[in-house]
Amino acid sequence: GAGVSQTPSNKVTEKGKYVELRCDPISGHTALYWYRQSLGQGPEFLIYFQGTGAADDSGLPNDRFFAVRPEGSVSTLKIQRTERGDSAVYLCASSSSGGATDTQYFGPGTRLTVL
Amino acid sequence: KQEVTQIPAALSVPEGENLVLNCSFTDSAIYNLQWFRQDPGKGLTSLLLIQSSQREQTSGRLNASLDKSSGRSTLYIAASQPGDSATYLCARLLTGANNLFFGTGTRLTVIP
Repeated sequence: GAGVSQTPSNKVTEKGKYVELRCDPISGHTALYWYRQSLGQGPEFLIYFQGTGAADDSGLPNDRFFAVRPEGSVSTLKIQRTERGDSAVYLCASSSSGGATDTQYFGPGTRLTVL
Repeated sequence: KQEVTQIPAALSVPEGENLVLNCSFTDSAIYNLQWFRQDPGKGLTSLLLIQSSQREQTSGRLNASLDKSSGRSTLYIAASQPGDSATYLCARLLTGANNLFFGTGTRLTVIP
């Protein structure tokens, strides 16, 4: 596609529910990143994929958060037993190879609200 | 502690004015420093990327500088326009890392 797309754009759920957020990176990009942005803050790193594997998941806050990228393109961020503190905008980015000089291209984000 | 700080948090200027946005960071082992623009409800758009070996980058009316020794970067916007209104975020990439570490942003409003 022309850019990084994320679905849904908005997700409202109840505390304790399970949610999945989807990211479609730019075609051919091997590197994919998930970030979380709380109100009034800059994005915070969650996880980085190189191909199908999670090369760095040090930003995942706890074991309720999990992400997959089974075919090296689309990625899904999964949150179990959601809490109100999980409410944020979840951003996905991709870059061509994950190199330090590569530009990361961001999607529009999914706004998650946990009631 | 690794920190990226942006001051001011918000800035309003009249159209046509030149302005400077500031970014400071505590870790000098950066690989590069990037500036992004974020419009409400939208993702981030990369504006400029400065490698650690460089001192500045320019794109149109934008000029970004990097001073590793003092831990500071500035984004200079010339002849501001209402369309420049957005939140501007700086982010640093540490040597050997893959993820960007962002500041909290400066919300810019250019008044027609």
